[in-house]
Amino acid sequence: AQSVTQLGSHVSVSEGALVLLRCNYSSSVPPYLFWYVQYPNQGLQLLLKYTTGATLVKGINGFEAEFKKSETSFHLTKPSAHMSDAAEYFCAVSAGGSNYKLTFGKGTLLTVNP
Amino acid sequence: EAGVVQSPRYKIIEKKQPVAFWCNPISGHNTLYWYRQNLGQGPELLIRYENEEAVDDSQLPKDRFSAERLKGVDSTLKIQPAELGDSAVYLCASSLLYEQYFGPGTRLTVT
Repeated sequence: AQSVTQLGSHVSVSEGALVLLRCNYSSSVPPYLFWYVQYPNQGLQLLLKYTTGATLVKGINGFEAEFKKSETSFHLTKPSAHMSDAAEYFCAVSAGGSNYKLTFGKGTLLTVNP
Repeated sequence: EAGVVQSPRYKIIEKKQPVAFWCNPISGHNTLYWYRQNLGQGPELLIRYENEEAVDDSQLPKDRFSAERLKGVDSTLKIQPAELGDSAVYLCASSLLYEQYFGPGTRLTVT
């Protein structure tokens, strides 16, 4: 079974500041890890994913995340926040391979202050 | 390429009434998912289809929820009768492999 814990239900940063959204996972098998973004009244959009290979993955809109197996973490970062980054962010894990079931965290609401 | 299409976008019904949601996945995507997202929570899987077959419906409340995917393309999720606790956003997603693409969802309010 898989589970995801997102630390901090609400993160507030200033425009231009570093964005760090934390995600820890639990999985009995090598996981596939995902970050999704959800804007108000919209569906989820994939930001980036880790399956195998390079542990630092780059996504859209300048976001990146690093898979750290020893820490069971997959934190999302962006060097400089933009107002348009304000949204809800979800971390998700699957068992990988042919098991496509995604288990989501509860989400982190990112607020960007001018 | 068109994304996942869902309708209606919003639905308000009284408790005990039936309701249905429709989903058209991305062309060529064999796998289709229905999720429920409660306020302030992440999505939770209700059912997953591989083509026409429901391969994971363990989280679907079968006493009142039903789903179908005829011809392995479009899908319908139904609730009958609806309860106050069913108020949520119902998301449809589709995938070719492990990367899921989500529709905009249907926001259901049960009064």
